[in-house]
Amino acid sequence: DQQVKQNSPSLSVQEGRISILNCDYTNSMFDYFLWYKKYPAEGPTFLISISSIKDKNEDGRFTVFLNKSAKHLSLHIVPSQPGDSAVYFCAATPILYGKLTFGQGTILTVHP
Amino acid sequence: DGGITQSPKYLFRKEGQNVTLSCEQNLNHDAMYWYRQDPGQGLRLIYYSQIVNDFQKGDIAEGYSVSREKKESFPLTVTSAQKNPTAFYLCASSITGRIGDTEAFFGQGTRLTVV
Repeated sequence: DQQVKQNSPSLSVQEGRISILNCDYTNSMFDYFLWYKKYPAEGPTFLISISSIKDKNEDGRFTVFLNKSAKHLSLHIVPSQPGDSAVYFCAATPILYGKLTFGQGTILTVHP
Repeated sequence: DGGITQSPKYLFRKEGQNVTLSCEQNLNHDAMYWYRQDPGQGLRLIYYSQIVNDFQKGDIAEGYSVSREKKESFPLTVTSAQKNPTAFYLCASSITGRIGDTEAFFGQGTRLTVV
């Protein structure tokens, strides 16, 4: 049972355009959401997070949107850069539990 | 520099042998985690520990064992009972078990290949 789903295995975007990565979840106990970026043969690095009391969080070129009623979150990267090419994982956790559940990941390729 | 270190980066073992993956952190984090990454399946939790001398099974604990004798160390043993051990293994840590307070920091990973 996949509680966190990233239904797009890959996304290709032109440099300078917007990248939108999507994530859906099924567990209503999740109330904290994170995005990680991962390069091949390396560990994931934290990118941005959002708690369920918010619907938007921005950090530079990265913005995460949360739609609790739809159990959906998205990561927007504007403008996209070739260095953003990586695998992006969304993750979720109930705050008081502390165990991250990850999605399958989306491979983002930004073309120059 | 503070961080979380996994070793070795690449590991080859013969089928039927147990193998132990090392994970050390000097971040003074209470909680530590082991994840496994397989293509198309994201990161799946194997075991986690929120405090020394205590650990819990994650979603795919069968065929694995861990220990947490020291705060800094959380080694993972892949036993011969693990049916498909070839994978990329990631260790992570966080300040407390409450990841809502802060994000988890990951090591560089260990690529285990069983031949």
